[in-house]
Amino acid sequence: SQKIEQNSEALNIQEGKTATLTCNYTNYSPAYLQWYRQDPGRGPVFLLLIRENEKEKRKERLKVTFDTTLKQSLFHITASQPADSATYLCALASGGANNLFFGTGTRLTVIP
Amino acid sequence: DVKVTQSSRYLVKRTGEKVFLECVQDMDHENMFWYRQDPGLGLRLIYFSYDVKMKEKGDIPEGYSVSREKKERFSLILESASTNQTSMYLCASSAGLAGFGADTQYFGPGTRLTVL
Repeated sequence: SQKIEQNSEALNIQEGKTATLTCNYTNYSPAYLQWYRQDPGRGPVFLLLIRENEKEKRKERLKVTFDTTLKQSLFHITASQPADSATYLCALASGGANNLFFGTGTRLTVIP
Repeated sequence: DVKVTQSSRYLVKRTGEKVFLECVQDMDHENMFWYRQDPGLGLRLIYFSYDVKMKEKGDIPEGYSVSREKKERFSLILESASTNQTSMYLCASSAGLAGFGADTQYFGPGTRLTVL
């Protein structure tokens, strides 16, 4: 069955630095990869979607890459701020899938 | 803005009780989902529905059932609650205009259920 791994449970970085979160997958060929943000006690909120034929996607300070050869997506937050502190989830789906498969998330803490 | 609401933020029930979790979305979305979220396991899909009165099993449907009598409302039912169903339950909806993978899911705030 498919397996999705996010590089670490927790990541601490200094304010102003670039945070890089990793999502690796095996036994799967996703056509779509999504990233969500989840704050404590809240539901996830959609951030970005990238398709298998796209190498990179940007939205303001966020950048996502998708490497189908390495089976990996990288999620970058540039000029990080304490308000970016949250858990970030990646989710994958194949073209004909009837659901998204979520990773367990990485808890990011941006230290002022 | 899409709004997905869930009937309770916190719920405490006893083993063997029948439990109803309600979810309502206000954007006329076709698809609705129920997940549970546990530490170290991430979000796991219980059931989803792509139309009124239609339902499909997700990855962990055992011990649960669902009902979708109206487009905006999707209910999760625990027929006989057990302690291993203590979890955070999240409802989501999506427009259904694209395939599931390309569809943004909008989540409710979650219900933290404790079964004693």
